[in-house]
Amino acid sequence: NAGVMQNPRHLVRRRGQEARLRCSPMKGHSHVYWYRQLPEEGLKFMVYLQKENIIDESGMPKERFSAEFPKEGPSILRIQQVVRGDSAAYFCASSPPAGLVHFGNGTRLTVT
Amino acid sequence: QKEVEQNSGPLSVPEGAIASLNCTYSDRGSQSFFWYRQYSGKSPELIMSIYSNGDKEDGRFTAQLNKASQYVSLLIRDSQPSDSATYLCAVQRDGANSKLTFGKGITLSVRP
Repeated sequence: NAGVMQNPRHLVRRRGQEARLRCSPMKGHSHVYWYRQLPEEGLKFMVYLQKENIIDESGMPKERFSAEFPKEGPSILRIQQVVRGDSAAYFCASSPPAGLVHFGNGTRLTVT
Repeated sequence: QKEVEQNSGPLSVPEGAIASLNCTYSDRGSQSFFWYRQYSGKSPELIMSIYSNGDKEDGRFTAQLNKASQYVSLLIRDSQPSDSATYLCAVQRDGANSKLTFGKGITLSVRP
């Protein structure tokens, strides 16, 4: 039973480019969460999605960031026009309905 | 006041000792409480969940919850060097399938 799969594991982007992070939840999990972790910081909630719906985006920056979880395929976190401050580890997590949350291995984004 | 607070650490204990990790939270409406372990450069791993006042034991780990004091703790008995990691306290307000709010974590070092 594969866990939460994220790719790529490492992503390098120049300032102004777009970053696209992918997350495939565990089998049977219909809820996806995205978190960001800066060095020496805890995990900060960004967005919670179910298939085709954004349930809670209270942690998403108002500009440049968007997320989707289409009916088919992985969840995508998109960051447009990246800046150096976007450099962080981005973790995806998933859960079944009324279940425990499990994390993927993360994508380390470096903006140069 | 931060939503979830953990002692800044780091915490160092000798092998075989009991490690005590503490966490307080500000939202009295919180319903579910979790401890995650995160090794350096890795993803958070769920190790304990607790939902009602009292103690919950799982192997060498005991979680303690006191909702009146808004306090949750994790005890690790017979600490091993392999327990050396960052421990993240997480709180969930609205029950399953809502966001987790994390503390900054505390780094535990177990000395051989």
